[in-house]
Amino acid sequence: NAGVTQTPKFQVLKTGQSMTLQCAQDMNHEYMSWYRQDPGMGLRLIHYSVGAGITDQGEVPNGYNVSRSTTEDFPLRLLSAAPSQTSVYFCASGSGAKRVEKLFFGSGTQLSVL
Amino acid sequence: ELKVEQNPLFLSMQEGKNYTIYCNYSTTSDRLYWYRQDPGKSLESLFVLLSNGAVKQEGRLMASLDTKARLSTLHITAAVHDLSATYFCAVDKTPGNTPLVFGKGTRLSVIA
Repeated sequence: NAGVTQTPKFQVLKTGQSMTLQCAQDMNHEYMSWYRQDPGMGLRLIHYSVGAGITDQGEVPNGYNVSRSTTEDFPLRLLSAAPSQTSVYFCASGSGAKRVEKLFFGSGTQLSVL
Repeated sequence: ELKVEQNPLFLSMQEGKNYTIYCNYSTTSDRLYWYRQDPGKSLESLFVLLSNGAVKQEGRLMASLDTKARLSTLHITAAVHDLSATYFCAVDKTPGNTPLVFGKGTRLSVIA
């Protein structure tokens, strides 16, 4: 059972580089989201999607883009990486669009921007 | 702006003792979620509390919800080392709608 799969697990970038964090789920979930986790800050929502073709911003969207062309995939793009984007990123999905009862999290991507 | 506040943020407990983690939130949400995160790992769902007065228990953990007070508690009974983890509470960003907004987490350490 794959669940929510995130790649890569680790990544080091230089300031100004761009990259895409991949997230895929095989549970046919309508809802998908991206969070970043920083020490002492808990989890902060970056972007979310309630279905293919529908995305919306969370608390900290600046510097990130998302798209949802399929139900399964929800990639997160860093346009021009900055040291402030050094963090652990989690993708999460859940069944239902308006309200999910349980989020399933991926294993996380640890990103360092130098 | 929605605020979800947990306290304490750090908790060191002796094995066998009881303690309670508190989660206050500022919206009128009628449900609350608890998650657990082991060090270096992802998050897993513990409880979903669906209505005022809801109580759920699993093993040594019991969670309750008071929507009028906008307060949830996570009570730990007779703590054991395996409960060492970070515990997060979360509420709907807007009432009745995912996404979830998380508290900063309570890092629990159970020592012998």
